[in-house]
Amino acid sequence: GQNIDQPTEMTATEGAIVQINCTYQTSGFNGLFWYQQHAGEAPTFLSYNVLDGLEEKGRFSSFLSRSKGYSYLLLKELQMKDSASYLCAVRVSPNSGGYQKVTFGTGTKLQVIP
Amino acid sequence: KAGVTQTPRYLIKTRGQQVTLSCSPISGHRSVSWYQQTPGQGLQFLFEYFSETQRNKGNFPGRFSGRQFSNSRSEMNVSTLELGDSALYLCASSLSPPSGGGYNEQFFGPGTRLTVL
Repeated sequence: GQNIDQPTEMTATEGAIVQINCTYQTSGFNGLFWYQQHAGEAPTFLSYNVLDGLEEKGRFSSFLSRSKGYSYLLLKELQMKDSASYLCAVRVSPNSGGYQKVTFGTGTKLQVIP
Repeated sequence: KAGVTQTPRYLIKTRGQQVTLSCSPISGHRSVSWYQQTPGQGLQFLFEYFSETQRNKGNFPGRFSGRQFSNSRSEMNVSTLELGDSALYLCASSLSPPSGGGYNEQFFGPGTRLTVL
């Protein structure tokens, strides 16, 4: 199986930068996703990383290090509307063959304060 | 383009009953995945369907079943409901199946909130 670890909660100040970490232990890694989920709403896709490095998309960036089993989501110029849960998900190719599977972490609840 | 729709949005059942949830994917999307979300466990994968075929199944008991129709709409069924089945059930659609590799963006529906009494 795979273990995905994220901090449960984080608090950051409006206008600041926050980094949300995600670590995973798995074999057959084949991609990592980040989703944002506001309270009471459905998750929405933020980013996809499969190669090492940083992917930037506006105020949001996602980084991946495959050798370290580590990713982070970087949110710049925080806004109050960024208060949400951030879900890390890992896609894995099973050793025994068969279709790949996407597994979600339990998410990090980010609170942005004035 | 309409988003993913799920019906019903809210459901209250009692233990032992069964329930059927419905999901209509975004037009043109042939892949549908189902997830169970609870506060303690987060998003747990249930099934993945592509072109009417179940490609993947999560670690849930046989009481949980699903299917996909030729128009890509999907249903999931839970029989002999237990209190622990109370959760938000989310459906997600995508152009290609998440299990197929590559870039894959899943679009989630608003979910069905199931309460088992």
